[in-house]
Amino acid sequence: SYELTQPPSVSVSPGQTARITCSADALPKQYAYWYQQKSGQAPVLVIYKDTERPSGIPERFSGSSSGTTVTLTISGVQAEDEADYYCQSGDSSRTYVLFGGGTKLTVL
Amino acid sequence: QVQLVESGGGVVQPGRSLRLSCAASGFTFSYYDIHWVRQAPGKGLEWVAGISYEEHNKYYADSMKGRFTISRDNSKNTLYLQMNSLRAEDTAVYYCAKRDPGYNYALDLWGQGTTVTVS
Repeated sequence: SYELTQPPSVSVSPGQTARITCSADALPKQYAYWYQQKSGQAPVLVIYKDTERPSGIPERFSGSSSGTTVTLTISGVQAEDEADYYCQSGDSSRTYVLFGGGTKLTVL
Repeated sequence: QVQLVESGGGVVQPGRSLRLSCAASGFTFSYYDIHWVRQAPGKGLEWVAGISYEEHNKYYADSMKGRFTISRDNSKNTLYLQMNSLRAEDTAVYYCAKRDPGYNYALDLWGQGTTVTVS
């Protein structure tokens, strides 16, 4: 297997843009997913297949991919976006699931 | 209501066993792979195990192989995790999550979690 590396923390002011990266240390890169976890709650899927947004997730959440790095972008950050964010990937045969270490987003 | 509800957590002594359950409702349970994910206090998410929709394939994180067993009963819409030889480092909130091909096999539905304390 391989590892997914995220920055431990990101801080932004309300209305600014937050970018959280997730880097894989091996190729080929599989599709990535992003989950939001607010304090004391279960994770919620916010991005799948690198760039797709599930229904019900605000448009300010977007994903992108370049090489072995995927990025979660939150445009116009709101106070309610303060949470831990985890990237996730796996293998093409779906025999395991791999999570990044998580990034704590603080809204100043 | 589409949901997953975990149960069976509690306080258990090191070396003992515990069985967790995850009850599904509001969707056709037998159509989907289901996984267990855990989160130790103050730590990140850690994948534990997964099982295919028809129970033919089971997958485990290396650190759980040989101690944990995942199973399901599609007639009861329930997923299980049998945990043996528990260690202090198994202390965590355990979540079950559904893996949906419609979302490219993302974990699109999570339960609220059940807490296991090994002490």
